[in-house]
Amino acid sequence: GAGVSQSPSNKVTEKGKDVELRCDPISGHTALYWYRQSLGQGLEFLIYFQGNSAPDKSGLPSDRFSAERTGGSVSTLTIQRTQQEDSAVYLCASSLGRLAAESFGPGTRLTVT
Amino acid sequence: TQLLEQSPQFLSIQEGENLTVYCNSSSVFSSLQWYRQEPGEGPVLLVTVVTGGEVKKLKRLTFQFGDARKDSSLHITAAQPGDTGLYLCAGPLSGGSYIPTFGRGTSLIVHP
Repeated sequence: GAGVSQSPSNKVTEKGKDVELRCDPISGHTALYWYRQSLGQGLEFLIYFQGNSAPDKSGLPSDRFSAERTGGSVSTLTIQRTQQEDSAVYLCASSLGRLAAESFGPGTRLTVT
Repeated sequence: TQLLEQSPQFLSIQEGENLTVYCNSSSVFSSLQWYRQEPGEGPVLLVTVVTGGEVKKLKRLTFQFGDARKDSSLHITAAQPGDTGLYLCAGPLSGGSYIPTFGRGTSLIVHP
């Protein structure tokens, strides 16, 4: 079946502009995670959605970052007033269970110039 | 400060060699996962270990969870070029969190 998909695959934006990154999880997966990965760094947790519960936003690095998940499915990560340090690969994962981030998407590579 | 420390950071070996990579922490985890990530792709989940002392095998890969659930190891027997990739360990801390924290990974290159 279809895996987790993310769009766009690459995004180049100018400093100060807003960007939206999209994640389509596997159908029926109730948990959805956003991480970002910078060169030489591990995956940094951003936000976690579980069913209809309030999201865990404890990993968002600043108030310029926000995310929503509509209808328990598609999620959008929004970064306002992008900065160069926001450049990274943004990864989305979804899970049926609570043990692990089971299925990752291919990521969106964001470059802020 | 990394909750999960992975070693070695880099490993370059010849096809047919055996290797072990480690994932260590001073914290207790409710489970640990191992992933392999190839360039330009997201991590792929290989295994989840849950019970202290648990050993799981996936073909030539053997995963072990420490008795105290603070560490894990991945052993590859007779490595092949297809094993090349970034190996990541991750897990949610014991105590109710469902959010996996990741190590920085071991980058493995297997030369033919």
